[in-house]
Amino acid sequence: DTGVSQNPRHKITKRGQNVTFRCDPISEHNRLYWYRQTLGQGPEFLTYFQNEAQLEKSRLLSDRFSAERPKGSFSTLEIQRTEQGDSAMYLCASSPMGSFSTEAFFGQGTRLTVV
Amino acid sequence: GESVGLHLPTLSVQEGDNSIINCAYSNSASDYFIWYKQESGKGPQFIIDIRSNMDKRQGQRVTVLLNKTVKHLSLQIAATQPGDSAVYFCAEGNSGGYNKLIFGAGTRLAVHP
Repeated sequence: DTGVSQNPRHKITKRGQNVTFRCDPISEHNRLYWYRQTLGQGPEFLTYFQNEAQLEKSRLLSDRFSAERPKGSFSTLEIQRTEQGDSAMYLCASSPMGSFSTEAFFGQGTRLTVV
Repeated sequence: GESVGLHLPTLSVQEGDNSIINCAYSNSASDYFIWYKQESGKGPQFIIDIRSNMDKRQGQRVTVLLNKTVKHLSLQIAATQPGDSAVYFCAEGNSGGYNKLIFGAGTRLAVHP
């Protein structure tokens, strides 16, 4: 499978615990995005990486959230001290560089439930 | 702030009919727009895109129309099939802004046999 891969697919955690999600983008895609999607809503942008550099962060990304892409390949999104409001689908997308490239390929997402 | 929204939250059609899903956007600086299809439990799947210098673009059974005057975008699906049942999102992007996408809330398309 050469698509965007996200793990785990589902995560149930108790409030206050830390969780970490992983995204493996399509090989050689320089651009990597994290989005959050709540039920019935469209995805909301969280952060963007160009290779290993995190170039943009949404104000939705509070200080409890941190994302990394250490080698410019896979990325991790960590949420510390989870809250019930963090329950959502976390989507990762990647795309190649190039001003004519508009298509972002999404993974299947990680559904987080905070109880 | 700038946003992308949809007129209809739910659309029900008969199999074989044509479907039209509408979207309004507000950011005139966006230089491209994309329609995504999302099935339950899956990530969004690219359907078709259109650049702001175009009015119409056709794909296989799908057509996207862009009216910049009224900031309106539509997705037309010809001969709708049960497999088209999903939630459809329009999204806008700016190639000068890292290509991050701003999504609307989505329209659920229900196709009845």
